Amino acid sequence: KQEVTQIPAALSVPEGENLVLNCSFTDSAIYNLQWFRQDPGKGLTSLLLIQSSQREQTSGRLNASLDKSSGRSTLYIAASQPGDSATYLCAVRSRSNTGKLIFGQGTTLQVKP
Amino acid sequence: NAGVTQTPKFQVLKTGQSMTLQCAQDMNHEYMSWYRQDPGMGLRLIHYSVGAGITDQGEVPNGYNVSRSTTEDFPLRLLSAAPSQTSVYFCASSYGTGESSPLHFGNGTRLTVT
Repeated sequence: KQEVTQIPAALSVPEGENLVLNCSFTDSAIYNLQWFRQDPGKGLTSLLLIQSSQREQTSGRLNASLDKSSGRSTLYIAASQPGDSATYLCAVRSRSNTGKLIFGQGTTLQVKP
Repeated sequence: NAGVTQTPKFQVLKTGQSMTLQCAQDMNHEYMSWYRQDPGMGLRLIHYSVGAGITDQGEVPNGYNVSRSTTEDFPLRLLSAAPSQTSVYFCASSYGTGESSPLHFGNGTRLTVT
């Protein structure tokens, strides 16, 4: 059974710092991994999707990497800003059942001015 | 495109009442799904559908029914509401279940059962 873990649960950093959010999964036979952002009281916004054959994806100040063999993905945020404050979730679509996305519990990020 | 639209935004029910949460998408997505989000539990899959006429259970299907008569709509029915169903419900869709199909979410329905 696929399990997805995100550590730490919360993170507070000063503005301008580069930071890394972690996502680990137990079954390496994945189809893809997706990173989302959720603002308080809102829905989830897709940030990046990494296919199983890819090693990384980039969008602006965000870079997501994938290492299937170790069951890990990282989301790198460069030059963090207060507007980056949100909860970041990762989700995995497994090859064993592509109909199900399994989510981690998220990392809540606070960027202090 | 409006994307994924959920109605209502908020709902209060009494124990035992039934209701339907609506979800519609205008992106011609084959895959649609329902999640509930609870503090400390994260997002859990309730039901999903890979196309019109096809539905399947997720992690927490008890107490909920779904049907998919059209590509656009995927309603979630609560048969007899219980306080344990107090949660925020999200509908999500994607073009398919392939490697390059990102999931798109609606803005959620906040449900309280008293």
